[in-house]
Amino acid sequence: QSVLTQPPSVSAAPGQKVTISCSGSSSNIGDNHVSWYQQLPGTAPNLLIYDSNKRASGIPARFSGSKSGTSATLSITGLRTGDEADYYCGTWDSSLSGGHVFGGGTKLTVL
Amino acid sequence: EVQLVDSGGGLVQPGGSLKLSCAASGFTFSGATMHWVRQAPGKGLEWLGRIRNKVHSYATAYTASVKGRFTISRDDSKDMAFLEMNSLKTEDTAVYYCTRESPITIFGVVLDPWGQGTLVTVSS
Repeated sequence: QSVLTQPPSVSAAPGQKVTISCSGSSSNIGDNHVSWYQQLPGTAPNLLIYDSNKRASGIPARFSGSKSGTSATLSITGLRTGDEADYYCGTWDSSLSGGHVFGGGTKLTVL
Repeated sequence: EVQLVDSGGGLVQPGGSLKLSCAASGFTFSGATMHWVRQAPGKGLEWLGRIRNKVHSYATAYTASVKGRFTISRDDSKDMAFLEMNSLKTEDTAVYYCTRESPITIFGVVLDPWGQGTLVTVSS
């Protein structure tokens, strides 16, 4: 059971927009910025978004992030079949047990 | 190019030990905080722990499920990080990734880049 909650799957047609939510608590998302990672099949995760809304180097403007309170959202517009991947949110948890926490991951299917 | 290369995975029996390595290049390794993350087959990402740099006394932190069994270390002279795993259980079967805490921000922990991962299989 992951500390951060993501929907297991989302889907949309090519060219459409999709959003992926990430819900946490006051000790993680509420207290820290969020990063988003894309994991293409059979590969290592790759940084997409950091500081909740900044794109990593080389990431197209189709990808954007936002944060409000204890939730964060990844938005992808102009969907392409190459965007099919698993997406993970992550952040630091400031509680006593601490540590970095991830969402359970969301599988994006481009129909 | 900033790069991490993971190695050392393999098949190990329950109760056994294994030491993974992470070779870094393309950045000042001695200044970086290094993390280890694993991914069980068909599952999500699980953070295991991290080791800070010399300035922060090489402080380590671990997730509860591996504390006392796993040890993260580093050799700055060789630009390498290590994950030593003892008392391995079948549920430790996973792909293990090392990753760097990126200096891209001062506002949080951003993990970039990631190694390619090395598979550890715990089975009799």
